[in-house]
Amino acid sequence: GAVVSQHPSRVICKSGTSVKIECRSLDFQATTMFWYRQFPKKSLMLMATSNEGSKATYEQGVEKDKFLINHASLTLSTLTVTSAHPEDSSFYICSAEGRYSNYGYTFGSGTRLTVV
Amino acid sequence: DAKTTQPTSMDCAEGRAANLPCNHSTISGNEYVYWYRQIHSQGPQYIIHGLKNNETNEMASLIITEDRKSSTLILPHATLRDTAVYYCIAGRETSGSRLTFGEGTQLTVNP
Repeated sequence: GAVVSQHPSRVICKSGTSVKIECRSLDFQATTMFWYRQFPKKSLMLMATSNEGSKATYEQGVEKDKFLINHASLTLSTLTVTSAHPEDSSFYICSAEGRYSNYGYTFGSGTRLTVV
Repeated sequence: DAKTTQPTSMDCAEGRAANLPCNHSTISGNEYVYWYRQIHSQGPQYIIHGLKNNETNEMASLIITEDRKSSTLILPHATLRDTAVYYCIAGRETSGSRLTFGEGTQLTVNP
């Protein structure tokens, strides 16, 4: 089946630094990738939608200059949290939609970001 | 995307069937019903989806009412590993359509 690899699974960074999270589709081409954020005991909140080769579309209230998304190839999208602050600490999850995926949307395993 | 409503939590005994309801009374004709589950600190896992007809796969069965305003996910023989948050989502199957997650149902399978 379709597999999405997300890396790293956990990261701790200092306040003010930037962190890059990678999302790769391993056995299919992902035309569209989605980035979600999830706070403890809450549901997933969509942050942005990225399409290969074009600019990401951000949800209302999500700062595009803070959460940089790059979808340079059909198998890789990256989310960079710039100038991270403790309130950015969260669980970040990507999902990918493949051209030939039978399951529509496949999710990565998530990245736990802690900003200290 | 149509809004879905699910109970906040449910309990089920191990080995019994778990029946998880979902209301989606405003679902449109081209929206599918998707079910995902999320085990603690992991990404959501696809379970099943359907449009009108009942669906079954190796994980679960999906029963959709004739008017499509509600559905039930059935885990036929729940195990402890099925303890998770289950999300029912109405969404289109067209390319680029996003999935909007509600609060889901916390299913706890008890020994």
